[in-house]
Amino acid sequence: AQRVTQPEKLLSVFKGAPVELKCNYSYSGSPELFWYVQYSRQRLQLLLRHISRESIKGFTADLNKGETSFHLKKPFAQEEDSAMYYCALRGYSSASKIIFGSGTRLSIRP
Amino acid sequence: EAGVAQSPRYKIIEKRQSVAFWCNPISGHATLYWYQQILGQGPKLLIQFQNNGVVDDSQLPKDRFSAERLKGVDSTLKIQPAKLEDSAVYLCASSPGRAHLNTEAFFGQGTRLTVV
Repeated sequence: AQRVTQPEKLLSVFKGAPVELKCNYSYSGSPELFWYVQYSRQRLQLLLRHISRESIKGFTADLNKGETSFHLKKPFAQEEDSAMYYCALRGYSSASKIIFGSGTRLSIRP
Repeated sequence: EAGVAQSPRYKIIEKRQSVAFWCNPISGHATLYWYQQILGQGPKLLIQFQNNGVVDDSQLPKDRFSAERLKGVDSTLKIQPAKLEDSAVYLCASSPGRAHLNTEAFFGQGTRLTVV
């Protein structure tokens, strides 16, 4: 079964502290993994995808196929990082659907 | 480029009434998705179109929900009759739809439905 699990509903850290948002997935095959973010009063938008291997707004995510994880990390949290973060996966065919986790609310304390 | 447009932004109806939502995807995007997002949960896919054909509607409650994508562009999602548990934000998204390329989904701002 295809599934994305985000075990933390809420993560609260102080400004300047490291952040790690956890994501585990279940998929038969090699999916494409994403992190989407929703800032207050804004639409859901892509933050990063694993195939790009890039850092966006200081965030990185490494795909660990052995542990079926795709945790999102940032070494030093900023107040503007406060938002809802959703991990998602998609198969590689053009008809594959995008499945989302339940989301983690990241709150950065000043 | 213009983003995904949805209307209305908000809708309040009584249970057993019907309601329709409209979505205009980004021009040229072949894939269109409708998601239901209940408060405190992640988006759940209801239906996915590839051009004007249905690719996946396995989680669409077909006894009350219907969707169409006329001419492979705009789409409407209808609920008839609505139930209290249909209260949610309905998100429309689109993507270019080519395998391995440009797989990012672009989302609209959603329609918040409240059923009373």
